[in-house]
Amino acid sequence: GNSVTQMEGPVTLSEEAFLTINCTYTATGYPSLFWYVQYPGEGLQLLLKATKADDKGSNKGFEATYRKETTSFHLEKGSVQVSDSAVYFCASSNQAGTALIFGKGTTLSVSS
Amino acid sequence: EAGVVQSPRYKIIEKKQPVAFWCNPISGHNTLYWYLQNLGQGPELLIRYENEEAVDDSQLPKDRFSAERLKGVDSTLKIQPAELGDSAVYLCASSLEGGELRDEQFFGPGTRLTVL
Repeated sequence: GNSVTQMEGPVTLSEEAFLTINCTYTATGYPSLFWYVQYPGEGLQLLLKATKADDKGSNKGFEATYRKETTSFHLEKGSVQVSDSAVYFCASSNQAGTALIFGKGTTLSVSS
Repeated sequence: EAGVVQSPRYKIIEKKQPVAFWCNPISGHNTLYWYLQNLGQGPELLIRYENEEAVDDSQLPKDRFSAERLKGVDSTLKIQPAELGDSAVYLCASSLEGGELRDEQFFGPGTRLTVL
């Protein structure tokens, strides 16, 4: 079945630093890809998504591009803020396209 | 608009005891999901409902876990009897329609279960 691998954390950055969180997937066919974020004490929230190759998802300054050739969907942000501190999950649709397959999550901590 | 509501937020029980979790999805959302999240892991699907029908329960350990979604709205997930390894966060999510993940899944805050 489909699976997702994302970089281990925690990631610790200073405010205004550049962020990359790597995510790769294995899948039969072409899944939809997602990034979810979980702020402390809150539920998972969809950050961005892409449904086909070369699509770029973007939201709140975060971006990720669906790369079929490298089976990747890396999350990037040019200048992180303290408020971006959270756990970030990369996810793929399952083979049937009806549920999400999540990575293990990457904890981001941003200090001022 | 209210989000997905789950209760309780925290539950501590002795092993072999029963436990139940409740979820109220966003109004009008036909699809409801229960996920299990172990410490340091991403959520894993347990069961998916389309209205009141469980359309994917292949990952639900049916010897001790059960779920229901009466009238296609609220849902309850039950464990009987609980084991130490069931300690985890149980997440509920809902979406307008589930097919091919066309619609965003909205997650509740989860119920953190500790089995002693």
